[in-house]
Amino acid sequence: QLQLQESGPGLVKPSETLSLTCIVSGDSISSTNYYWGWIRQPPGKGLEWIGSFYYSGSTYYNPSLTSRVTISVDTSNNHFSLKVNSVTAADTAVYFCARQPAVAAKASFNYWGQGTLVTVSS
Amino acid sequence: EIVMTQSPATLSVSPGERATLSCRASQSVSSNLAWYQQRPGQAPRLLIYGASTRATGIPGRFSGSGSGTEFTLTISSLQSEDFAVYYCQQYNNWPRTFGQGTKVEIK
Repeated sequence: QLQLQESGPGLVKPSETLSLTCIVSGDSISSTNYYWGWIRQPPGKGLEWIGSFYYSGSTYYNPSLTSRVTISVDTSNNHFSLKVNSVTAADTAVYFCARQPAVAAKASFNYWGQGTLVTVSS
Repeated sequence: EIVMTQSPATLSVSPGERATLSCRASQSVSSNLAWYQQRPGQAPRLLIYGASTRATGIPGRFSGSGSGTEFTLTISSLQSEDFAVYYCQQYNNWPRTFGQGTKVEIK
């Protein structure tokens, strides 16, 4: 059974780097069948896609975040990570990792982690 | 970037009644449109993909329609567990974009 679990610090200071990891079990992030991505949700607000990657090395980022965001992959441990640099209070959100089928007609986010709240505060 | 606009922002419905939610895309997304349900404190759950295909395990009271720029999610007879926030999302283009959500509340 597929499981995605986000992990990382719940509190980050302004101007520092937010780092999260998504640990995947029940599937391989090297699969040719899926993209894997990050989405966030500020408290009381809507969903914002951050970025996604494919096993081949293709990575896509939200243009509003691309200068501050990096997604990296650890295939040996079957997890992927998110870094957001120079954070501000506006980066306070619940961060979700999720899986998307690579088939174009089905490429919705069909499995989600439970999410982890990251607060940016001094 | 494709902008997704949902309406209404809030929908007040009595249990057992029908709910109709709308989603409009700023340019055509073909049928590459998904709907998600999010209950408080939970991750979103995929309901519909391909504009009209129910995801695994989703009850038949949920249906989706539309293509191009206009889409609809219909809940035929609202159950207590259906009161939640619903989001549409296009996956036709990068960046992936979500609508701002429609909250379905008890009337």
